[in-house]
Amino acid sequence: DVKVTQSSRYLVKRTGEKVFLECVQDMDHENMFWYRQDPGLGLRLIYFSYDVKMKEKGDIPEGYSVSREKKERFSLILESASTNQTSMYLCASSLGWEISPGAKNIQYFGAGTRLSVL
Amino acid sequence: QKEVEQDPGPLSVPEGAIVSLNCTYSNSAFQYFMWYRQYSRKGPELLMYTYSSGNKEDGRFTAQVDKSSKYISLFIRDSQPSDSATYLCAMSNTGFQKLVFGTGTRLLVSP
Repeated sequence: DVKVTQSSRYLVKRTGEKVFLECVQDMDHENMFWYRQDPGLGLRLIYFSYDVKMKEKGDIPEGYSVSREKKERFSLILESASTNQTSMYLCASSLGWEISPGAKNIQYFGAGTRLSVL
Repeated sequence: QKEVEQDPGPLSVPEGAIVSLNCTYSNSAFQYFMWYRQYSRKGPELLMYTYSSGNKEDGRFTAQVDKSSKYISLFIRDSQPSDSATYLCAMSNTGFQKLVFGTGTRLLVSP
C-alpha cells in the first residue's frame, strides 16, 4: 500500500514563526503536492514538485515555499506564519506523469496537518 | 464563478438508499474526472476515475460523465452507514498533472 506520512496531525504556532510541514512517501513516487483545505473553498494547490529539487507554483503559493532535497520528502515552509494560514494542509504524491489515464497518476494523500496560527 | 461547483450538503439518506452526488464545471478542456472520498480527520482517497464521457462501474459505485452538459455524477447503490463521508469531485485537462477540486458534498447515511 502507498503510504504518505505527514509529520504532525495538529500544530499550533504563533504569528511570525517559521513553520515546517514535512511529508514523506514510501513508494518512490516522482511527483509530490501540497494543498490546503478550507471550508467552502475545497482543496487548493500550493506547490508541486515533479522531481528532486524541482518545484512549480500552484494556485496559491504566496506566503509559502517548498523544499525537495530527496525524492521521498517534500517540505512546506511558512516563512512567517499569519493567522490567515490557519488551515488543514494535505500532502499528496503520484507515481509520474502520463498522458493517457492510468493508475500511474493517481494522487495519494496523507492524513493532513491541522495548523492553527495564533 | 468557480471552475467546479459542488453542492456542500449535507445530504442525509437512510441505509439502502441510492445516492446521487453531482458536480458541474465550466472548463470544456477537462478530460479526466475523479471522485475522492474523505472521512473525518483523514486525507482523501480515490474512489473512481474516468476519461472523457461515459459510465464506469465499480461494485456499488457508478461514475458518469456528460461532457456536453459539463456534468459529472457519482451514484452509490445500497448505501451503508460506512459510506458517510465527504465526497470530492476533481478534474484535470492534462492527465493528472494538476487537479481542480470541488468543495465536497457531505453524505450522511443513517442506519
